[in-house]
Amino acid sequence: AQTVTQSQPEMSVQEAETVTLSCTYDTSESDYYLFWYKQPPSRQMILVIRQEAYKQQNATENRFSVNFQKAAKSFSLKISDSQLGDAAMYFCAYTGANSKLTFGKGITLSVRP
Amino acid sequence: GAVVSQHPSWVICKSGTSVKIECRSLDFQATTMFWYRQFPKQSLMLMATSNEGSKATYEQGVEKDKFLINHASLTLSTLTVTSAHPEDSSFYICSARGGDRGPYGYTFGSGTRLTVV
Repeated sequence: AQTVTQSQPEMSVQEAETVTLSCTYDTSESDYYLFWYKQPPSRQMILVIRQEAYKQQNATENRFSVNFQKAAKSFSLKISDSQLGDAAMYFCAYTGANSKLTFGKGITLSVRP
Repeated sequence: GAVVSQHPSWVICKSGTSVKIECRSLDFQATTMFWYRQFPKQSLMLMATSNEGSKATYEQGVEKDKFLINHASLTLSTLTVTSAHPEDSSFYICSARGGDRGPYGYTFGSGTRLTVV
């Protein structure tokens, strides 16, 4: 079975600074997708970024980028120029052949003004 | 873009009654719908997967007789919590697979906060 591990329960970043959220996963599949989702206080799940395992290039979406290390099964999220609106819970997630999303425990990110 | 409308956003019901939660995909056909349960400050726990026109597949430990899932059309899936009890109080979220994000795109509803008194 696939597992997703987010070992840091909380992180804090100064506004305008950069922060990296860690995620590791375990799988025996070769074809899969990895995601980072943001859940603000409204609790609406918002897709931040998606990475396809067969693509070597790291995905980027504006201020958000990932460091995808397939051999190490690591998938970290970097948030540049942090903004107050980035404060939320962030979940790393995996999906493979069975199309089910497996989520990590999540990390609460706070942004200091 | 893909939108999933989930209703109601919050509901309070008396113990022993049933509550129905609806999720509609507004601009795409959701061949697969996932239902999650989330406790405060915790992750999403998958309860069941439903495919249009077939019976839902429940995760281990989820009571299928308590959490009835119906996916009768490509745009509507419902979760009915039967004979609700206070321990069923939680946040329930649906997620539809498909739309313009392709087969590995997941669109989430806005969630339903259920309180059983």
